[in-house]
Amino acid sequence: GQSLEQPSEVTAVEGAIVQINCTYQTSGFYGLSWYQQHDGGAPTFLSYNALDGLEETGRFSSFLSRSDSYGYLLLQELQMKDSASYFCAVKTLSGNTPLVFGKGTRLSVIA
Amino acid sequence: NAGVTQTPKFQVLKTGQSMTLQCAQDMNHNSMYWYRQDPGMGLRLIYYSASEGTTDKGEVPNGYNVSRLNKREFSLRLESAAPSQTSVYFCASSEDGRGGLLRNEQFFGPGTRLTVL
Repeated sequence: GQSLEQPSEVTAVEGAIVQINCTYQTSGFYGLSWYQQHDGGAPTFLSYNALDGLEETGRFSSFLSRSDSYGYLLLQELQMKDSASYFCAVKTLSGNTPLVFGKGTRLSVIA
Repeated sequence: NAGVTQTPKFQVLKTGQSMTLQCAQDMNHNSMYWYRQDPGMGLRLIYYSASEGTTDKGEVPNGYNVSRLNKREFSLRLESAAPSQTSVYFCASSEDGRGGLLRNEQFFGPGTRLTVL
């Protein structure tokens, strides 16, 4: 089967840096994606890592280690609008699901 | 471009009623998906369609049927609604369903909030 683990909740201070971890167990692994979802809204794509290493997009960075089955999303210079749920998702060849989502991490940014 | 649109936005059904959730995308994407989202459960795939004319079961297909009407439209039908189907339903689309380096970004519709009494 396939499974992803990420913390259910994280709280961080405005202006700080926060890291949201994701570990996965799957076969036929292609890559790891991250999505953001504000309350009442739809998920929106943030990043995708198919190769090991760090990908940076503005204040957000995403990291993947295929050998450790581990990735993280790094948010810098936190803003109140970053309060949302963040989902890691595995792109996989096996099974009957092209993208498997984790249960999400709810990030609360406080002043 | 409207992206991915879904109708209706809200719906209340009684147990045993049927309904169809509509989804359309104007991005010329090959792949389309239906997810349900329950509190604390993340997004779970119900069905997907990798191309026009094909559909495949996802993680939680029981109690649902789908139709890929054409490249733009992908509908989800509940034949006999049950309280366990109370959820938020998201439709999504992407350029390609599989492939290694392709990032397979999925674009989501605004969701349908369904309550079954």
